[in-house]
Amino acid sequence: DSGVTQTPKHLITATGQRVTLRCSPRSGDLSVYWYQQSLDQGLQFLIQYYNGEERAKGNILERFSAQQFPDLHSELNLSSLELGDSALYFCASSGSPGGRDGELFFGEGSRLTVL
Amino acid sequence: GNSVTQMEGPVTLSEEAFLTINCTYTATGYPSLFWYVQYPGEGLQLLLKATKADDKGSNKGFEATYRKETTSFHLEKGSVQVSDSAVYFCAAYNNNDMRFGAGTRLTVKP
Repeated sequence: DSGVTQTPKHLITATGQRVTLRCSPRSGDLSVYWYQQSLDQGLQFLIQYYNGEERAKGNILERFSAQQFPDLHSELNLSSLELGDSALYFCASSGSPGGRDGELFFGEGSRLTVL
Repeated sequence: GNSVTQMEGPVTLSEEAFLTINCTYTATGYPSLFWYVQYPGEGLQLLLKATKADDKGSNKGFEATYRKETTSFHLEKGSVQVSDSAVYFCAAYNNNDMRFGAGTRLTVKP
């Protein structure tokens, strides 16, 4: 158990809809990363937050947005969904005081299926 | 920012064969280097890491050496097992920027 919790584990929805994925980082971790994993694109970095502030942005579409709340949990919002958004979305956290620099701890992922 | 290039898969080996998965990186300065493993149906987990040149990370029979001169961090194992079947990701971390390679799927057949 990595200590990172993601909900929901599975989600099936229709094109054009909007969904929210939630991530609770390990206790004390300040950084949250979101990744998208699809069969043909590998592991794509979407966005990173550190202590509530956006720190880095990767290949995140304009239809997607994220935020990190004061209690450090994070949400990834996906809107106007398309078939190609079907993927496994991972959250990872890092940054516990005294933790190993750079090591990420991954949740089990949220599998999104867009029909 | 950092970038990581790793050997494309899939890789299929027989049990007890020797494994090498190549990984090279580009980065400003000297990043920390990692290998993560993703077993079927699970999230990624750290396999091994190295934080400075010539360091060797090792775990579960896997090894990788941080080579500054060739900017590489190749993963090796002398004798793979069926249970090693997974996707392996190389990663580089520097200045709060973590980047992953595309992943290499390894299948080990009995």
